[in-house]
Amino acid sequence: GAGVSQSPSNKVTEKGKDVELRCDPISGHTALYWYRQRLGQGLEFLIYFQGNSAPDKSGLPSDRFSAERTGESVSTLTIQRTQQEDSAVYLCASSLSGGGDTQYFGPGTRLTVL
Amino acid sequence: QKEVEQDPGPLSVPEGAIVSLNCTYSNSAFQYFMWYRQYSRKGPELLMYTYSSGNKEDGRFTAQVDKSSKYISLFIRDSQPSDSATYLCAMSLNTGFQKLVFGTGTRLLVSP
Repeated sequence: GAGVSQSPSNKVTEKGKDVELRCDPISGHTALYWYRQRLGQGLEFLIYFQGNSAPDKSGLPSDRFSAERTGESVSTLTIQRTQQEDSAVYLCASSLSGGGDTQYFGPGTRLTVL
Repeated sequence: QKEVEQDPGPLSVPEGAIVSLNCTYSNSAFQYFMWYRQYSRKGPELLMYTYSSGNKEDGRFTAQVDKSSKYISLFIRDSQPSDSATYLCAMSLNTGFQKLVFGTGTRLLVSP
């Protein structure tokens, strides 16, 4: 079956522009996660969706970052007024449910802010 | 100080060598410990996970957790060139896997 897919695979934008990153989780997975991976650093948790519960936004670094998820399907991560420090690989993962289920990662979107 | 420390490498070994990858951590509340493998331009994939202290073996891979020392290890026996990748340790609190805290990753190069 298909894994987690993300689009675009690469995004180059100018400082100050808004960007939207998309994640399609594995079908049937109720939990969805966003992480950021900066060069030379580990993955940083950003946000977690579980079913219809309120998302856990505790990892979002500023109010320029937001994410939405429609039901148990597609999620969009939006970064407003991008800054150069936002340059990173943004990874999405999904799991069957929350708790102890394995997270399956997508290939990521490489964002470069000029 | 980062919550999870991991030597970024690169670690270069010849094919067939035993590889030891390690992480230290500062938060004694971590209960779940995981190792992910990440190939270039790909997302991480889960290799192994353990709960609390102890050892776990899966084929050529062995994961060890020493909670008293706040130290975890991944051993790879009979390493292969296909094992060349970045290995990330990750851990979470006793509430489960929701908010994983990752190390920076160690880049491993296995030469034929």
